[in-house]
Amino acid sequence: AAGVIQSPRHLIKEKRETATLKCYPIPRHDTVYWYQQGPGQDPQFLISFYEKMQSDKGSIPDRFSAQQFSDYHSELNMSSLELGDSALYFCASSLARSNEQFFGPGTRLTVL
Amino acid sequence: EDQVTQSPEALRLQEGESSSLNCSYTVSGLRGLFWYRQDPGKGPEFLFTLYSAGEEKEKERLKATLTKKESFLHITAPKPEDSATYLCAFSGGYNKLIFGAGTRLAVHP
Repeated sequence: AAGVIQSPRHLIKEKRETATLKCYPIPRHDTVYWYQQGPGQDPQFLISFYEKMQSDKGSIPDRFSAQQFSDYHSELNMSSLELGDSALYFCASSLARSNEQFFGPGTRLTVL
Repeated sequence: EDQVTQSPEALRLQEGESSSLNCSYTVSGLRGLFWYRQDPGKGPEFLFTLYSAGEEKEKERLKATLTKKESFLHITAPKPEDSATYLCAFSGGYNKLIFGAGTRLAVHP
């Protein structure tokens, strides 16, 4: 069965640079969620989209923005990167009528 | 404040030694209690959703149960490949998941 696809899988950036993470949900899933997981921590909700509209927002820094496109893929844009942004970033998708979320393999972001 | 608390933080078992992981919750209007498995550096893998007290679900060596205050993940005759971090979560507003800190399970041959 098709799963959530995330790219890139690994990303190394310098401080103050920008990064763009991409997420392709499971086919026919209309809702996308972004989570951040620091070392040894549980995943923390950042932001979600339903039918290309932002549906909820968590502890996402103002330096980050995201959107969902007409084909339902989503991009997380991160600017003015800081050392503390180094983490695993997961995308999850679901059907709006179901609250069961399926996670992608993640993007490991390292900020030097 | 709605939250979930998992215990123990870490658990070491011998292969074949059955045990249970606990997830205590204080959530008003529970709209689902979720169990995920996470291997190091990988995305959480969906295991179960439980919605009401008394509900049970099984998958291979795993069985999840739910009461009004807690959920258990029972592992029967575990194997080394069951070693992972097990996360429980509840569904918050607009279905975002709020996770517990997880239980790190190590199963030794």
